[in-house]
Amino acid sequence: EAQVTQNPRYLITVTGKKLTVTCSQNMNHEYMSWYRQDPGLGLRQIYYSMNVEVTDKGDVPEGYKVSRKEKRNFPLILESPSPNQTSLYFCASSFGRAINEQYFGPGTRLTVT
Amino acid sequence: KQEVTQIPAALSVPEGENLVLNCSFTDSAIYNLQWFRQDPGKGLTSLLLIQSSQREQTSGRLNASLDKSSGRSTLYIAASQPGDSATYLCAVRPDNAGNMLTFGGGTRLMVKP
Repeated sequence: EAQVTQNPRYLITVTGKKLTVTCSQNMNHEYMSWYRQDPGLGLRQIYYSMNVEVTDKGDVPEGYKVSRKEKRNFPLILESPSPNQTSLYFCASSFGRAINEQYFGPGTRLTVT
Repeated sequence: KQEVTQIPAALSVPEGENLVLNCSFTDSAIYNLQWFRQDPGKGLTSLLLIQSSQREQTSGRLNASLDKSSGRSTLYIAASQPGDSATYLCAVRPDNAGNMLTFGGGTRLMVKP
């Protein structure tokens, strides 16, 4: 089944403790991205990757890192999480560039205390 | 900067009604527009993708139209059902090399039996 998977789905952590949220897609998509969703602010893009070893900042990249060593994986790294990073995170992928629709993962709900 | 607005923010209708959800965007230089459905606590499911050269797309009981020059899109849902209850999001992709989707705030739809 074609899908985007994220792990973990739920995470509660403390300020400053490094964490990684994994994202994997099995559709051989070049393009992958991360979004966060917050009440009243909607979905905002954090980082995106056009292909392996190619990443770029989205709207709200501060406090996040990403890497794209393999085509199928695009992990989101929070080196020192803070409470303002409490949010619902979505990974997305699409084949090629702008012309194609994006497929979203199920989301990761992160709480930083 | 592109801004996407969805009106109304919430809508409650009795089962069987035909309804229209609205999406407006400030910059008409878009590559395409995508409508998504999001169920509570879940990821986004792509419903329809309209390229900037297209006027409308249809899938089952759903019909999405695009008027790029006026910065508007509508999602028409025919013969609504309780299973249509969800939040509907529209997102536009800019007409350049970037791949960032800009999302509207969503319309929360409840269809009552």
